Amino acid sequence: KQEVTQIPAALSVPEGENLVLNCSFTDSAIYNLQWFRQDPGKGLTSLLLIQSSQREQTSGRLNASLDKSSGRSTLYIAASQPGDSATYLCAVTFLSVGSQGNLIFGKGTKLSVKP
Amino acid sequence: KAGVTQTPRYLIKTRGQQVTLSCSPISGHRSVSWYQQTPGQGLQFLFEYFSETQRNKGNFPGRFSGRQFSNSRSEMNVSTLELGDSALYLCASSSGERTANEKLFFGSGTQLSVL
Repeated sequence: KQEVTQIPAALSVPEGENLVLNCSFTDSAIYNLQWFRQDPGKGLTSLLLIQSSQREQTSGRLNASLDKSSGRSTLYIAASQPGDSATYLCAVTFLSVGSQGNLIFGKGTKLSVKP
Repeated sequence: KAGVTQTPRYLIKTRGQQVTLSCSPISGHRSVSWYQQTPGQGLQFLFEYFSETQRNKGNFPGRFSGRQFSNSRSEMNVSTLELGDSALYLCASSSGERTANEKLFFGSGTQLSVL
C-alpha cells in the first residue's frame, strides 16, 4: 500500500529561524511530489512541484528536495515569518495509480511561527 | 484567470439525507478530482473525472458518486448521509495531461456537517 508520512506533526519556531519539514513515501515509482500549504478551513495552495527526474525546486524562501531512492523529500523554509504559519502537506502521485488526479497525501505538519 | 470555484461553502444536513456539491474548474482544465478531508483520516481521494468520464476512483462506498458535464463542471453526490461524512470536501482541477509537471489547483472546499 502506498503511503506518505510527514514528521513532525507540529512545529513551533521563533520568527527568523530556518526550518525543515520532512516527508517520506513508500514507493519510489512516482510521477512527482508536491508541497502544499493549507490555512485553517481553506483549500490548498500549491507551493512547489518536483518531477520524478528532478532533485530540487526553489521558490523564494522555499526549497524542496527529492531523493527518490530513499523515498524522502524535505521542504526548507528560510528566515521564517509569522505569515508562514499554516499546515504544510506533502502529496505524491504514484505511477501505479495511472493518473495525476489521484494524490496520496501525508497528514501534514502544522507550523507555528512566533513573532 | 478565475480559480476553482466550489459551491456551497457550507452545508448542514441530517442523517439519511442526500447532498450535492458543485465544482467549476479553471477555464480550459478538463480534469476534476474530489477529496475528502477529516481531522482523523486527513485528505483522501474520492474520484477523478476527465472529459465526462470517471478516470480513477478511491476506496469509498457507493453512496459517494460524481459526474462531469461537457463544460468540465463537476458535481459530487452523497446519498444516505452518515455522521462520519462530516468533512471538508475539496475539488481540484488540472489540464488532465499525464505529464510529470501536472499541477493540481484546489478550490476552497465545501464544509459539510451532518447532524
